[in-house]
Amino acid sequence: DAGVTQSPTHLIKTRGQQVTLRCSPKSGHDTVSWYQQALGQGPQFIFQYYEEEERQRGNFPDRFSGHQFPNYSSELNVNALLLGDSALYLCASSSITSGRTNTQYFGPGTRLTVL
Amino acid sequence: GQQLNQSPQSMFIQEGEDVSMNCTSSSIFNTWLWYKQEPGEGPVLLIALYKAGELTSNGRLTAQFGITRKDSFLNISASIPSDVGIYFCAGLDRSGGSNYKLTFGKGTLLTVNP
Repeated sequence: DAGVTQSPTHLIKTRGQQVTLRCSPKSGHDTVSWYQQALGQGPQFIFQYYEEEERQRGNFPDRFSGHQFPNYSSELNVNALLLGDSALYLCASSSITSGRTNTQYFGPGTRLTVL
Repeated sequence: GQQLNQSPQSMFIQEGEDVSMNCTSSSIFNTWLWYKQEPGEGPVLLIALYKAGELTSNGRLTAQFGITRKDSFLNISASIPSDVGIYFCAGLDRSGGSNYKLTFGKGTLLTVNP
């Protein structure tokens, strides 16, 4: 049973560039959430996708956008990168049908460095 | 907004000792989750709690959902070197019906001396 997978593992970009991160949820899961984790901090919620729509958004600017595909996989896009966007980006999946939508399982993350 | 206070920030213990850490919230949660994160990896779910007063174990780990719904604790018994990592509490308030985000504490860094 595959867990949550994310790609790429590491990414280096320069200021002003755009980046796309990818996530495949755990088998049987239909909901994907994205989090940003700065060094030494707990993860911060960016947004959650269910049924290919953004269901809730955290306090992140519009430069952060996402998409969910019919197979439940998801992408996180960040435009006009800033130095402060350097962080570990985590994807978490959960299941509406299990009745435990609050129980989120995390992937290994993508380490983004903005120079 | 919701805030989670997690303590202690760090712990340095000897192998075999028991460990206790806790989280308190400024608001009521209806789910508490405990995760462990190792360097360069994503958080791994340890224990999930869904009801006030619930006490759940996972091997040497035991966690409780506080009766006030504003706190939770995690105990680790007979610690071993592989327990090293950062432990995060996370909570979710679904009382409004439309909140799906987990709020995380800042983590407890656990170091175990063999």
